Amino acid sequence: EAQVTQNPRYLITVTGKKLTVTCSQNMNHEYMSWYRQDPGLGLRQIYYSMNVEVTDKGDVPEGYKVSRKEKRNFPLILESPSPNQTSLYFCASSLGGQTTDTQYFGPGTRLTVL
Amino acid sequence: AQSVAQPEDQVNVAEGNPLTVKCTYSVSGNPYLFWYVQYPNRGLQFLLKYITGDNLVKGSYGFEAEFNKSQTSFHLKKPSALVSDSALYFCAARNTGGFKTIFGAGTRLFVKA
Repeated sequence: EAQVTQNPRYLITVTGKKLTVTCSQNMNHEYMSWYRQDPGLGLRQIYYSMNVEVTDKGDVPEGYKVSRKEKRNFPLILESPSPNQTSLYFCASSLGGQTTDTQYFGPGTRLTVL
Repeated sequence: AQSVAQPEDQVNVAEGNPLTVKCTYSVSGNPYLFWYVQYPNRGLQFLLKYITGDNLVKGSYGFEAEFNKSQTSFHLKKPSALVSDSALYFCAARNTGGFKTIFGAGTRLFVKA
């Protein structure tokens, strides 16, 4: 089954404790992206990647890192999480480098930073 | 700054009645426009998109959207709402040649039986 998977689905952590949220897709998509969803703000793009070793900042990259060492994986790293990073996070992928491509979303990761 | 606006936080409609979820955009050039739907505890699912051509776009589950360039709008419509259409709907835009995606804040649709 074609899908985007994220782990963990739920995470409660404390301020300053480094964490990684994994994202993997099995559709051989070139483009991958991370979003955070907050009430009243919709989805805001954190980082995106056009292909292996090619990443770029979205609208809210501060406090986050990403890497794209393999085509299928695009982990989101919070080196020193803070409470304002409590949010619902979505990973998405799309086929290629066309702006018109539809994005496929993972199920989401709900992160709470105490 | 570029933005996508969904002016209604919530839309209520009776089952069988037509529904409209509004979206306006402020994006330079000729953007590509998308509608996604989110059911509880799920990721977003693609409904439809406007690339070019016919201003009326048909998508999944009987939804359609009307692109209006002069009003910079891309409203989502359905002739006859179902209770199962109740969900959170997001409008999104991408610049031609760019890969950032701008989402609206979302509109919650309630369809009452």
